[in-house]
Order: sequence, then structure tokens, then C-alpha cells
Amino acid sequence: SQTIHQWPATLVQPVGSPLSLECTVEGTSNPNLYWYRQAAGRGLQLLFYSVGIGQISSEVPQNLSASRPQDRQFILSSKKLLLSDSGFYLCAWSVEGEGEQFFGPGTRLTVL
Amino acid sequence: DQQVKQNSPSLSVQEGRISILNCDYTNSMFDYFLWYKKYPAEGPTFLISISSIKDKNEDGRFTVFLNKSAKHLSLHIVPSQPGDSAVYFCAGTTSGTYKYIFGTGTRLKVLA
Repeated sequence: SQTIHQWPATLVQPVGSPLSLECTVEGTSNPNLYWYRQAAGRGLQLLFYSVGIGQISSEVPQNLSASRPQDRQFILSSKKLLLSDSGFYLCAWSVEGEGEQFFGPGTRLTVL
Repeated sequence: DQQVKQNSPSLSVQEGRISILNCDYTNSMFDYFLWYKKYPAEGPTFLISISSIKDKNEDGRFTVFLNKSAKHLSLHIVPSQPGDSAVYFCAGTTSGTYKYIFGTGTRLKVLA
């Protein structure tokens, strides 16, 4: 069966510090991978998606970046965090771009 | 541009009654729609989906209706149970685009 992992579960970082959130998927090959952010009181905002190793599409201009160094690994990064980067970050995967997406447990990021 | 809208941020329903959650979309290219349920500090879990070639899909207590001409879909939960209390997101996608656009969510509270 497929499993998706995210870590860390919670993170408190000062403004201006770097960020690295990791997501890995088990039990499937060549998944489509996604990063979403849920800000307080808001919906799920698609940040990045990837259909293959090294292929990243950005949906929202911001100071975040994503990388996919391996087939089932997706990393969300920032060189300098802003207060507005606080939120709940979710990684998700799907097969062939349709059908349901499966979400990870999420990372609560607080930037102080 | 909010392509998927959930205009009711919250809804309260008595246990045993019907819950109706609504969703509107603007992108006429969407051909697949999904509903997700989300508890606090957890990732969303998939509930039910519908393809644009159908106008209804049923799974146990959950039924999704799609009105393509009105660009409207709704999720019916019958009978509602206290465990259904959560935030519900609808999402739309176009086959082959790999992108899922989510609404802002509706918080359902089922009163015992």
C-alpha cells in the first residue's frame, strides 16, 4: 500500500532563516507530487507540482522553491523565511494526474 | 481568480439530518471534481469524486451532485453524524493538467 510521509510535523523558525520541508512517498512509482499551503482561515493553495524528477511547476510567485531530487522525494525550501510564510504545509501525490490525490499529515510552520 | 468557490464558510446541522455543502466553479475546462474532509492539524482525506460525464455519484452516506450548466456541485451527507464534523473542501481539475484547484472550505458542525 502507498504511504506518504512529511517531516517535521511542526516547526518554529525566525524570520530570515532558511527552510527545508521534506516529503517522501512509498509504494508507488513516478507519482505526481504537490505542495500546498493552508494559511489561517484560508483554503488549500497549490504552491508547486511535479510530474517527474527535476520537473517543477510553480503556481504562485513567492520566496519558496521546490525540488524533486528523487522519484518519490519532494522538498520545499526557502532561503529566507517571511512572516507570511506561516501556515500548514501539505504534500500530496497522485497517479497520472487524475483521480484522487492523497495527502500527507502536514507540517505546521510558524515564522516569528 | 478563485476558480473554485465555497461561499459558506460554516454550516451547523443536527445529528441525523441532511448536510448539504455547496461548491461553485468558474473554469469550464474542469472535468473531474473531488470532495475532501479535513480534521485540524491533519492532511485532507479523500471522500468522493465525480466525473463530468455523470451528474450524480453515491458512496454510502455521501452523494455528490454535479450541475454542469450551473457550474455547481454539492455534497450531501445523510444521515449526518457528529464524526462528520470537519472542514470540507471541494476541488476541480482538468484531465491531463495535473493541477487540482481547491475551494476555501466549509466547516461542518454536526450537533448531537
